[in-house]
Amino acid sequence: QKEVEQDPGPLSVPEGAIVSLNCTYSNSAFQYFMWYRQYSRKGPELLMYTYSSGNKEDGRFTAQVDKSSKYISLFIRDSQPSDSATYLCAMSATDKLIFGTGTRLQVFP
Amino acid sequence: GAGVSQSPSNKVTEKGKDVELRCDPISGHTALYWYRQSLGQGLEFLIYFQGNSAPDKSGLPSDRFSAERTGGSVSTLTIQRTQQEDSAVYLCASSLWGQGYEQYFGPGTRLTVT
Repeated sequence: QKEVEQDPGPLSVPEGAIVSLNCTYSNSAFQYFMWYRQYSRKGPELLMYTYSSGNKEDGRFTAQVDKSSKYISLFIRDSQPSDSATYLCAMSATDKLIFGTGTRLQVFP
Repeated sequence: GAGVSQSPSNKVTEKGKDVELRCDPISGHTALYWYRQSLGQGLEFLIYFQGNSAPDKSGLPSDRFSAERTGGSVSTLTIQRTQQEDSAVYLCASSLWGQGYEQYFGPGTRLTVT
């Protein structure tokens, strides 16, 4: 069993939809939870990070962490075609990041 | 400011040859990380540097892989006697000391072993 599980998708939604992306994990030592966006043939881009449980909002993006359920989410409001990319969750207990395999998101006009 | 840069962007090599991949971190970032991304796989941690020392090499897949960092800046990942299963995108990231939760990635080096 992988430490971090993420549905690979693809997830296809119309422009303007609310998108929900999720990851589950098994290591209760994880303290930091990150979301990265990766466009094709580019390096991952950090969207946001959260420490421990709770919510964090940045513009159209909201990250949620539920440590009791070992479940994290990223919500994208008013999705745009430019949001089409692969979204990677990542977690850490130390300095190295453990990544999910990524969810491919397609937002069509 | 300038982000993390990596070179070359693409590398095609024959099986059995050695390759060197280079990473230039963001200026002032003392922590540097190497990851590997294979087709259909997530990013896999390889090694972490704090300054010039590597406190965590746990992800290096075999003794054919090595890395060094000099002057607390540029790092080189070397793969000796390359195998076809080494084909992947090799990604470098950097962060401020103690802020491993805020890693910034370079564009990667796409390695193809024929």
